[in-house]
Amino acid sequence: KQEVTQIPAALSVPEGENLVLNCSFTDSAIYNLQWFRQDPGKGLTSLLLIQSSQREQTSGRLNASLDKSSGRSTLYIAASQPGDSATYLCAVKGGAQKLVFGQGTRLTINP
Amino acid sequence: NAGVTQTPKFQVLKTGQSMTLQCAQDMNHNSMYWYRQDPGMGLRLIYYSASEGTTDKGEVPNGYNVSRLNKREFSLRLESAAPSQTSVYFCASDTNVDTGELFFGEGSRLTVL
Repeated sequence: KQEVTQIPAALSVPEGENLVLNCSFTDSAIYNLQWFRQDPGKGLTSLLLIQSSQREQTSGRLNASLDKSSGRSTLYIAASQPGDSATYLCAVKGGAQKLVFGQGTRLTINP
Repeated sequence: NAGVTQTPKFQVLKTGQSMTLQCAQDMNHNSMYWYRQDPGMGLRLIYYSASEGTTDKGEVPNGYNVSRLNKREFSLRLESAAPSQTSVYFCASDTNVDTGELFFGEGSRLTVL
């Protein structure tokens, strides 16, 4: 059974810092991995999608990498801003379980 | 540019009552999903529909039924609500159940007393 883990559960950094969020998964037989952002009381917003054949994807200040063999993905946020404060979730897609989510990392950017 | 639309956004039920959550997407997606999100449990798949005319159970289907009314609409029904079904429910859709990018609605907050 696929399991997805995100560490740390919470992270607080000063504005302007570069930071990395981690996601690990137990079964490397995936179709893709997706990073989402969730603001309090809101739905999930898709940030980046990495197909299994890709190693990374970039969107603005965000860069996500995927290493299927080691079961890891990272989300790099450059020059963090207070507006980046949210919960970030990763999810892997593949097999009978379809999309499996991690528990998320709650990120706080302090002005 | 609506994307995935869910109704209602909030609902309070008494134990034993029934209700239906509605979901519609305007992105011409083939696959649709219902998730519930609970503190400490994360997001769990209730049911999904890989394509129009098909539905399948997810991780936590007990107590729920679904209907894929057409390509755009996918509803979730609680026949006899229980306090354990108090949760935030999310509908999502994508182009392909295996490889597509998932898009979510804003959620429906359900409280069962």
